[in-house]
Amino acid sequence: QQQVKQSPQSLIVQKGGISIINCAYENTAFDYFPWYQQFPGKGPALLIAIRPDVSEKKEGRFTISFNKSAKQFSLHIMDSQPGDSATYFCAAIITQGGSEKLVFGKGTKLTVNP
Amino acid sequence: KAGVTQTPRYLIKTRGQQVTLSCSPISGHRSVSWYQQTPGQGLQFLFEYFSETQRNKGNFPGRFSGRQFSNSRSEMNVSTLELGDSALYLCASSFMNTGELFFGEGSRLTVL
Repeated sequence: QQQVKQSPQSLIVQKGGISIINCAYENTAFDYFPWYQQFPGKGPALLIAIRPDVSEKKEGRFTISFNKSAKQFSLHIMDSQPGDSATYFCAAIITQGGSEKLVFGKGTKLTVNP
Repeated sequence: KAGVTQTPRYLIKTRGQQVTLSCSPISGHRSVSWYQQTPGQGLQFLFEYFSETQRNKGNFPGRFSGRQFSNSRSEMNVSTLELGDSALYLCASSFMNTGELFFGEGSRLTVL
């Protein structure tokens, strides 16, 4: 119930294409769904996040789509650039649980070819 | 504002030794959590501290421990090191139950 399943494990996209990463969860108590971006040698950095009362959130080229009934959410990267090449992690957290415990997906290694 | 600072960045230990890792959170952040990152298991939650109290603990053996000081700085300790403890150990801080965690660059531990 505490798992977040992420797919695909790796993704290769051409420059200018759309990158799509999918995640699914079971625990309906999760109330905050962030995406983190991690470059080699660096810690994960918060990219964009959504709460379950919103179906979509867009920040620049990055969009989260959220389907509460299906317990799924996805990250779309429009006009993908070589600089977007990184590992992306979806995550979920219960913010009202009195603890900052993130449950992470396994990660997706994105490669954007020039 | 300075980010989360972790020291040391790299260290090599041998089996049976112990190690202490340090984390300085962003100023004003009172929650500090620790994660272990490995290629096979991904990011796994170790424990979280808030105002010097451990609020949550992941499924790791008792060899893994931590503490938080009054200035919110935190340390984690791994005793009797095993080869499988080789990993990137990440510290993250947050303000208060916002769900927004800010990670340091990690301490890469290699156990020989």
